Amino acid sequence: EADIYQTPRYLVIGTGKKITLECSQTMGHDKMYWYQQDPGMELHLIHYSYGVNSTEKGDLSSESTVSRIRTEHFPLTLESARPSHTSQYLCASRRPGGEAFFGQGTRLTVV
Amino acid sequence: QKEVEQDPGPLSVPEGAIVSLNCTYSNSAFQYFMWYRQYSRKGPELLMYTYSSGNKEDGRFTAQVDKSSKYISLFIRDSQPSDSATYLCAMIDQGGSEKLVFGKGTKLTVNP
Repeated sequence: EADIYQTPRYLVIGTGKKITLECSQTMGHDKMYWYQQDPGMELHLIHYSYGVNSTEKGDLSSESTVSRIRTEHFPLTLESARPSHTSQYLCASRRPGGEAFFGQGTRLTVV
Repeated sequence: QKEVEQDPGPLSVPEGAIVSLNCTYSNSAFQYFMWYRQYSRKGPELLMYTYSSGNKEDGRFTAQVDKSSKYISLFIRDSQPSDSATYLCAMIDQGGSEKLVFGKGTKLTVNP
């Protein structure tokens, strides 16, 4: 069973607000990933991390930022939310040479 | 051309059928291969993980990897209506980035 958690599960927020989506894992995995997925569409990698103090941008340009101060946490922040940010955000983690596990996702709606 | 190609379907089969799902890839640096099942509005759930060329079986699921052809497959035996979901192939780029790269997903419906 994967021990990776995302909070909140659902978030409805007004335009211009700052939001932080939390992702935590208790497996000690070095590598973590954030994906964005619209309903019925493919996953797009927006950020990933090799370990503490390491972050990289993914294939899909995103206005969000991430940080990796602790191994177990990989939060994603939007400084000023817009309706175009409405989507599902999925976090995953894996150990070197190992399989990746996903959280249940955060469904974000910006109104 | 995308690094991972997966037929998006949709694929519709009767209950009890054998389902074959496939992905091809172009990057020889891809070394670890996974199959996920994703129900609507949920996170992907890991089904199978393989590294070597060959077959790996787990219950009704068999994952097959052919690195020489850059081709992976997932077979589902005795398919059930509860198998109706989107199936995603994924692989890890061991060429330096360690990105986790996904196919677009195949939407499967198993009809009772």
